Amino acid sequence: DGGITQSPKYLFRKEGQNVTLSCEQNLNHDAMYWYRQDPGQGLRLIYYSQIVNDFQKGDIAEGYSVSREKKESFPLTVTSAQKNPTAFYLCASSIGGLRGGELFFGEGSRLTVL
Amino acid sequence: AQSVAQPEDQVNVAEGNPLTVKCTYSVSGNPYLFWYVQYPNRGLQFLLKYITGDNLVKGSYGFEAEFNKSQTSFHLKKPSALVSDSALYFCAVRDAQGTPLVFGKGTRLSVIA
Repeated sequence: DGGITQSPKYLFRKEGQNVTLSCEQNLNHDAMYWYRQDPGQGLRLIYYSQIVNDFQKGDIAEGYSVSREKKESFPLTVTSAQKNPTAFYLCASSIGGLRGGELFFGEGSRLTVL
Repeated sequence: AQSVAQPEDQVNVAEGNPLTVKCTYSVSGNPYLFWYVQYPNRGLQFLLKYITGDNLVKGSYGFEAEFNKSQTSFHLKKPSALVSDSALYFCAVRDAQGTPLVFGKGTRLSVIA
């Protein structure tokens, strides 16, 4: 089945540790995205990538980093510089870059920093 | 820059009654509009979209939405609500230039039996 796989689903980390969230898609989509979801705030864009080896900052990129070395993969690293990393993280992809197509979402990764 | 407003944090409706979840948007040029649904601790599922054509768009699970250009609205509707429709609903918009999707803050729908 085609889709987007995020792992891990739940993650606990101590303050000051870097964490990497995995996102893999087998939909052959060009564009991939990371959103952060907090209660009552909707989804906020962290980073997005329209093509391999290229990515752009979203609205809340500070304290995060990404890479896009393969079309299928778009991992997100939450660094120690992110002041409030506890949140639900959603990865998504879309066909044909950013024009017209709907986003397909993974099941999310819930990060809790202790 | 584009934006989306979902004026109601919570909508309550009795099972079998019609439901409406409101959305207004702001964007330069022609809007690309979307509705998504989210169940607890899950990703978002696509319901429907408007890009061009008929103002009334039909989507998954019996949902539909009406695009109103003069009121810059894209309200989600369903003629007869089910308890299983209870979830968090997001409206989203992008412009025609390829900028990323911008989401509203979500509306929690509760359908009471």
